Amino acid sequence: GDSVTQMEGPVTLSEEAFLTINCTYTATGYPSLFWYVQYPGEGLQLLLKATKADDKGSNKGFEATYRKETTSFHLEKGSVQVSDSAVYFCALFDTGKLIFGQGTTLQVKP
Amino acid sequence: EAGVAQSPRYKIIEKRQSVAFWCNPISGHATLYWYQQILGQGPKLLIQFQNNGVVDDSQLPKDRFSAERLKGVDSTLKIQPAKLEDSAVYLCASSLERGNNSPLHFGNGTRLTVT
Repeated sequence: GDSVTQMEGPVTLSEEAFLTINCTYTATGYPSLFWYVQYPGEGLQLLLKATKADDKGSNKGFEATYRKETTSFHLEKGSVQVSDSAVYFCALFDTGKLIFGQGTTLQVKP
Repeated sequence: EAGVAQSPRYKIIEKRQSVAFWCNPISGHATLYWYQQILGQGPKLLIQFQNNGVVDDSQLPKDRFSAERLKGVDSTLKIQPAKLEDSAVYLCASSLERGNNSPLHFGNGTRLTVT
């Protein structure tokens, strides 16, 4: 069945460092891909999405490109801030279901 | 617009007791989802409603979990009897429709601890 695999966390970075969180997926169809973020004490929020191959989703300085050839959707940000500390979830939507990866915790230190 | 409302925010019960969670989706959203998020894992879909009908409950442990969405608006999720492994955050989400261009909006969840 469909599945999403993310890199293990926690990821600890200094402020202004470059961020990459890896995400790969397995799907039988042509899914849409998403990154959700969960800030401490808050609900899940949609960060960005891409609906077809080679699409790039972007929001708040974060970017991810839908790579069909490598079945990947890696999240990147050029310069992280302390306020980016959160848990990040990669997800795919296929056949009416939204399926999540296990989440990656990001800690940004000043 | 008001977001997805869930209550209670926290619940602590003993094993074999019963518990119920309530969700009020965003007004006009036809699709409603219940997810279970165990600590350190991603959310797992338990059940999906389209209006007041069940679309997918393939991962709902039906021997102890039940859910309903009477009148196609609010929804309740019940566990009876609870087990230790049911300790998790239960998330409700809603979307305007089922398609992949209709983003899910999540509530803040109910954190259940079973002792």
